[in-house]
Amino acid sequence: QQQVKQSPQSLIVQKGGISIINCAYENTAFDYFPWYQQFPGKGPALLIAIRPDVSEKKEGRFTISFNKSAKQFSLHIMDSQPGDSATYFCAASSGAGSYQLTFGKGTKLSVIP
Amino acid sequence: SQTIHQWPATLVQPVGSPLSLECTVEGTSNPNLYWYRQAAGRGLQLLFYSVGIGQISSEVPQNLSASRPQDRQFILSSKKLLLSDSGFYLCAWSVRRPVGLKGETQYFGPGTRLLVL
Repeated sequence: QQQVKQSPQSLIVQKGGISIINCAYENTAFDYFPWYQQFPGKGPALLIAIRPDVSEKKEGRFTISFNKSAKQFSLHIMDSQPGDSATYFCAASSGAGSYQLTFGKGTKLSVIP
Repeated sequence: SQTIHQWPATLVQPVGSPLSLECTVEGTSNPNLYWYRQAAGRGLQLLFYSVGIGQISSEVPQNLSASRPQDRQFILSSKKLLLSDSGFYLCAWSVRRPVGLKGETQYFGPGTRLLVL
């Protein structure tokens, strides 16, 4: 029940295309859903986050879509660029218990020119 | 603004040797602190977290330990390293909030790459 399932494991997108990464969860206590971007050899950096009171959040080329009834959320990267090539992790947390983030296993995105 | 530091950045250690990795946070008080391990090409595994000085919770039984001697300092240690301890170790912090409030994000440090030979 604590898992966050992320797909696909890897993704290749042409420059200018749309990258879509999906995550699903079971724990209905989750109330915060961040996405992290990690470049090789670096720590993950917060990219964008959403709370379940909204269905979509957009920041620049990055959009989170959230479907509370389906317990799914996704990251859309519009106009994907080679500089977006990185590993992306979805995560979820709740205010109950230990404040832990539960991470998906990550998606390695490669944007080719 | 808040900053999180980790050192060393890279470490090569022989099997059976001790380990001490340090993490410090600046610009915030009373943070929650976390240690994660990331194996090559893998996800993030939570090892320890701390909600206050001297308060450590372990998520994975292993030969590693953690300590929090000061409010903004978090240390990861081992008495005898194993080959399987190789990996990328990440420290993170989050704002401490009362239980029952909504979840909060975590901010990661630059990481320490550990190679045990």
